[in-house]
Amino acid sequence: QVQLEQSETAVKRPGSSVRLSCRATGGTFTSYTFSWVRQAPGQGLEWMGRIVPILNEANYAQRFQGRLSLTADKSTSTAYMQLSSLRSDDTAVYFCARGTNVYDDLWGQGTLLTVSS
Amino acid sequence: DIQMTQSPSSLSTAVGDRLTITCRTSEDISTFLNWYQQKPGKPPKLLVFSASNLHSGVPSRFSGSGSGAVFTLTISSLQPEDFATYYCQQTYRIPHSFGQGTKLEI
Repeated sequence: QVQLEQSETAVKRPGSSVRLSCRATGGTFTSYTFSWVRQAPGQGLEWMGRIVPILNEANYAQRFQGRLSLTADKSTSTAYMQLSSLRSDDTAVYFCARGTNVYDDLWGQGTLLTVSS
Repeated sequence: DIQMTQSPSSLSTAVGDRLTITCRTSEDISTFLNWYQQKPGKPPKLLVFSASNLHSGVPSRFSGSGSGAVFTLTISSLQPEDFATYYCQQTYRIPHSFGQGTKLEI
């Protein structure tokens, strides 16, 4: 069964960086896009960016430009999200989602990131 | 960025009700509009893609319609498992923005 396995809960200090992972088990990794979406406590969904592994091309929401880096390791079928200069308002659940240019149909379980001093 | 406006933001409903959620976009996005359902503590689940196409395994009581800048998600007869938050998302242009969500409450 195809699944997205996300890394465990992370706790980081303000100003530091975090790298979260999303491993796809099953399916053809390079046939899809991988998007990252976050959800702050009690809030809605926020699209952050996506990577197209077969092109090694990433797109980012403007508000994260310069702070967000999306990469993909085709050899391990793993997508990564690195967010730097962390602030308390980056505290959220971060989801990865596999899809196409049109929709995302497979989501990971989410990783809780807490940013606190 | 394309702005997304969902209405209503919350809705008190009952089992068996028919309801419609509306999503308006700030510009014409053709049919690049998806609907997701999210339950507490769970990831979103794709219901409808490209405005009107039901995703595999989604019950037929769900339907989507619209094009351009106005879209609707209709649930023909609410079931207990449908009480959740629903989001629209455009994939016409990056960033693929979401609406603010519509929470269905009993």
